[in-house]
Amino acid sequence: EPEVTQTPSHQVTQMGQEVILRCVPISNHLYFYWYRQILGQKVEFLVSFYNNEISEKSEIFDDQFSVERPDGSNFTLKIRSTKLEDSAMYFCASRRAATQETQYFGPGTRLLVL
Amino acid sequence: SQKIEQNSEALNIQEGKTATLTCNYTNYSPAYLQWYRQDPGRGPVFLLLIRENEKEKRKERLKVTFDTTLKQSLFHITASQPADSATYLCALDPRDDKIIFGKGTRLHILP
Repeated sequence: EPEVTQTPSHQVTQMGQEVILRCVPISNHLYFYWYRQILGQKVEFLVSFYNNEISEKSEIFDDQFSVERPDGSNFTLKIRSTKLEDSAMYFCASRRAATQETQYFGPGTRLLVL
Repeated sequence: SQKIEQNSEALNIQEGKTATLTCNYTNYSPAYLQWYRQDPGRGPVFLLLIRENEKEKRKERLKVTFDTTLKQSLFHITASQPADSATYLCALDPRDDKIIFGKGTRLHILP
């Protein structure tokens, strides 16, 4: 069964450094998302992406964040200058079509900012 | 303000019994509601989706109900097993391109 994959599974970085989190959505899916989950808290929406542009973003998704679909398979989240409070699990999700509501999530990248 | 609440942070159920989890929401009018399972350190895994015009949905030992008047969904696991122990997340769509999650209920099935 097709799955969303994410790399790396864990990332440790110093405050102020840039990180890129990578995702390969399910191959025939058209809608892509990033969510995050701070330890012990709920899963929170960051951004949605369709047709090579951001369709919606949350207040969390400020100028330090960007997303890109550099080729036909990858979907990336970049954090330009990481802060301590960016430490969280980051989940990528994808959805097939406008009429298919379910979002399928990847296993996550655990980001630790020191 | 808008809220989605899962009433129990944790629930202990004896193996073989039915586990019932509750999700309530306020100031949303979702077109559908979903339930996901999350194991520690893993991503949410989709279980069931129920639409606003559906009262009940079943999949094997799982059953979901959706009452748009009460603004509530109930999630049932019948004949529960220790392998069902996990956190269960309620998620609704606020009629735009994202889903909003509840904080989850940690379910422990006791052997």
